[in-house]
Amino acid sequence: GAVVSQHPSWVICKSGTSVKIECRSLDFQATTMFWYRQFPKQSLMLMATSNEGSKATYEQGVEKDKFLINHASLTLSTLTVTSAHPEDSSFYICSARDLTSGRKQYFGPGTRLTVT
Amino acid sequence: GESVGLHLPTLSVQEGDNSIINCAYSNSASDYFIWYKQESGKGPQFIIDIRSNMDKRQGQRVTVLLNKTVKHLSLQIAATQPGDSAVYFCAENSGGSNYKLTFGKGTLLTVNP
Repeated sequence: GAVVSQHPSWVICKSGTSVKIECRSLDFQATTMFWYRQFPKQSLMLMATSNEGSKATYEQGVEKDKFLINHASLTLSTLTVTSAHPEDSSFYICSARDLTSGRKQYFGPGTRLTVT
Repeated sequence: GESVGLHLPTLSVQEGDNSIINCAYSNSASDYFIWYKQESGKGPQFIIDIRSNMDKRQGQRVTVLLNKTVKHLSLQIAATQPGDSAVYFCAENSGGSNYKLTFGKGTLLTVNP
């Protein structure tokens, strides 16, 4: 149980284009979803927290107009990187929790984004 | 600012030995801690968690110890296997309506056969 999937697992896009990453909770209803980014050999950095049906709460320094987050249902959240640049290349990971998991977060497998 | 850090960035052990991975935290309001394992190119995988009202919690081949006096957390892995090779992160949360986790820097565990 508590499986989180992400799609795509990797994506290459050209500078200036936008790319959407999906995060799905497969066997539970995710009341809260989180988006992280991780650079090579570094820790996870929280980008934003989203609750179903509400606007996402972004961490300090994260541009909300560049990283658009939508949490339209209890099983799906999307992260859209708009006008991507090479410096946006990173590993993006989502996580989710439900009412029964307490503060434990279940993580997706991550999406490797490369902007050329 | 508040942070969660690790004493050792890398740890190399022989197969069959016990491993101990350490973590220091500075936020005295933290009352929930969790260990994750991350293999290369994958998302973090839950290992074990502990609340601040406990000093020790055991799982399958893993034990987490919490010392609130010195704000220290450790993960012990018994009879380490090659499949345990990964980066291990500790994370903490301070409760309330805030469900955010703050992650430490990570420790790379390498198990030599």
